Amino acid sequence: SQQGEEDPQALSIQEGENATMNCSYKTSINNLQWYRQNSGRGLVHLILIRSNEREKHSGRLRVTLDTSKKSSSLLITASRAADTASYFCATKAAGNKLTFGGGTRVLVKP
Amino acid sequence: DAGVIQSPRHEVTEMGQEVTLRCKPISGHNSLFWYRQTMMRGLELLIYFNNNVPIDDSGMPEDRFSAKMPNASFSTLKIQPSEPRDSAVYFCASSSGTVVDEQYFGPGTRLTVT
Repeated sequence: SQQGEEDPQALSIQEGENATMNCSYKTSINNLQWYRQNSGRGLVHLILIRSNEREKHSGRLRVTLDTSKKSSSLLITASRAADTASYFCATKAAGNKLTFGGGTRVLVKP
Repeated sequence: DAGVIQSPRHEVTEMGQEVTLRCKPISGHNSLFWYRQTMMRGLELLIYFNNNVPIDDSGMPEDRFSAKMPNASFSTLKIQPSEPRDSAVYFCASSSGTVVDEQYFGPGTRLTVT
């Protein structure tokens, strides 16, 4: 079963706009990670936020985590056509395995 | 480093045939994961290994699926006999195995069973 559920399932924006997607999960976690998948490729790790962190930045990416609401958001600022991809959240509880959500498909139009 | 290597990249086979997918993890990584991705089910974890030992195979669909990791640099996922519903993209990923770490994915094997 999928622990994380992304919202929205699909997002279409113009280049230069910001893209925001959300992830909700059900159980306690150790950390939450976001991955990107370009069409026909494997997933690529973007950013990790630990359960005791509330916000993290990496370049044009901003991730927030609210453990009381069991939710996270990923913000991509000043989007580019190259940001067109599917974005997945993944939660890690005990052990080494990640549980992935269904993903958000993002289309950035030039 | 070359990253996680998977072979073949594409496999087309007939129902009933045996299929073997191969993975070489990143050198030094001690955790290896096999995933399956379909439009209907999304990304599913099939099995993962720590230090070559299978830890959690609860995602393996049925006895037709088996996975091995004979050494730290090689793993196989075998489907015997294959069925059309096994058609999917199969990913291998590896990680260093620490609690706070990321997984590195291979390019995937696109399997089509006719």
